[in-house]
Amino acid sequence: NAGVTQTPKFQVLKTGQSMTLQCAQDMNHNSMYWYRQDPGMGLRLIYYSASEGTTDKGEVPNGYNVSRLNKREFSLRLESAAPSQTSVYFCASRPGTGRAQPQHFGDGTRLSIL
Amino acid sequence: QQPVQSPQAVILREGEDAVINCSSSKALYSVHWYRQKHGEAPVFLMILLKGGEQKGHEKISASFNEKKQQSSLYLTASQLSYSGTYFCGPQNAGGTSYGKLTFGQGTILTVHP
Repeated sequence: NAGVTQTPKFQVLKTGQSMTLQCAQDMNHNSMYWYRQDPGMGLRLIYYSASEGTTDKGEVPNGYNVSRLNKREFSLRLESAAPSQTSVYFCASRPGTGRAQPQHFGDGTRLSIL
Repeated sequence: QQPVQSPQAVILREGEDAVINCSSSKALYSVHWYRQKHGEAPVFLMILLKGGEQKGHEKISASFNEKKQQSSLYLTASQLSYSGTYFCGPQNAGGTSYGKLTFGQGTILTVHP
């Protein structure tokens, strides 16, 4: 019962370094999402992939890129990390974009940028 | 654009009731509700569908007002296990919003013995 798996769980970077956060789901879901969570700001959508082969921007895409590698995997890349990107990052998936389909979240990646 | 949740925080004693509201500036297709315990991932509670149908698995109820573009979550006879942050995630109807799930800023619920 793995569900949504995120790696790594914790990471510390220096300003300017690059990093890819990995996300994989084993539920055969079509849609996948990346959120960041900051105190008082809730969950903000960075990018999402409604289905394999498509990606779209969310509310806060600047400074990030994504790749939907295949149906299972959806990665998030920080090309040049900035302290403002210190956050907890959650990946989520759902069967599709239909209105009655819940999201399943991974355990998160806690990222600190110094 | 993020939906707006109110109140931002609420403190209860076991057995008391609470209502959490969620308002969207766009037409709603459905509203998802999630709960997050400290240091953990958000967990699905229920989905409210346009037309009034509700899908979920917990003993917590909710309503969906299409005209007002609002949803409310009702927690009755609260238990200690209800403590956490509650998020609403409206799915807006049509256009470029299709498929996107945007969450509110969260409501922190604390239940004391």
